[in-house]
Amino acid sequence: DAKTTQPTSMDCAEGRAANLPCNHSTISGNEYVYWYRQIHSQGPQYIIHGLKNNETNEMASLIITEDRKSSTLILPHATLRDTAVYYCIVRVTGSQGNLIFGKGTKLSVKP
Amino acid sequence: GAVVSQHPSRVICKSGTSVKIECRSLDFQATTMFWYRQFPKQSLMLMATSNEGSKATYEQGVEKDKFLINHASLTLSTLTVTSAHPEDSSFYICSAGGGGSGDTEAFFGQGTRLTVV
Repeated sequence: DAKTTQPTSMDCAEGRAANLPCNHSTISGNEYVYWYRQIHSQGPQYIIHGLKNNETNEMASLIITEDRKSSTLILPHATLRDTAVYYCIVRVTGSQGNLIFGKGTKLSVKP
Repeated sequence: GAVVSQHPSRVICKSGTSVKIECRSLDFQATTMFWYRQFPKQSLMLMATSNEGSKATYEQGVEKDKFLINHASLTLSTLTVTSAHPEDSSFYICSAGGGGSGDTEAFFGQGTRLTVV
């Protein structure tokens, strides 16, 4: 089973920030938090990952709470093309790279 | 970022025939690749781990004789669905990369939509 819980769905107005929460209360100290998204009928796309510090790249920002039990993915200016299912995944350290996907959050960006 | 290419993107086959799906890492070598399956409105489920030069390891409930995996080189893994049936219709996705300490991301192919008629 996935080690994360996310809301099933969220709506966001185009141009506004989309804040997607994720709970991972059983995360271990050396496990990373990864975010991927899947646009309909495509393979998952990597967005961002972090261990304990907040991270930012050209796609998004990742805010991880101090206790690391939850995190928030922020898309600063959502566009219609950001409509997708967003997956928050805790990465098993030392694994070969396989990811365990939960149900994710279906983000709908509306005009 | 690294690129993983999957082919074909879409295939329709008759029941009882076999279908081969290719997964290539285009700019890096992958000793390990992963195959996932995704049914409509569901999440990705790991089917098997493809190991270069050795046998694949399958997740519980996945028939190894039905889903044949070959990883003959460091840049190519193939999944063959043998004697396909309508219930095998699904979205198949491969991934590569992301191994090691946990600080590197995995990359996914575009997926293959298999329809068995």
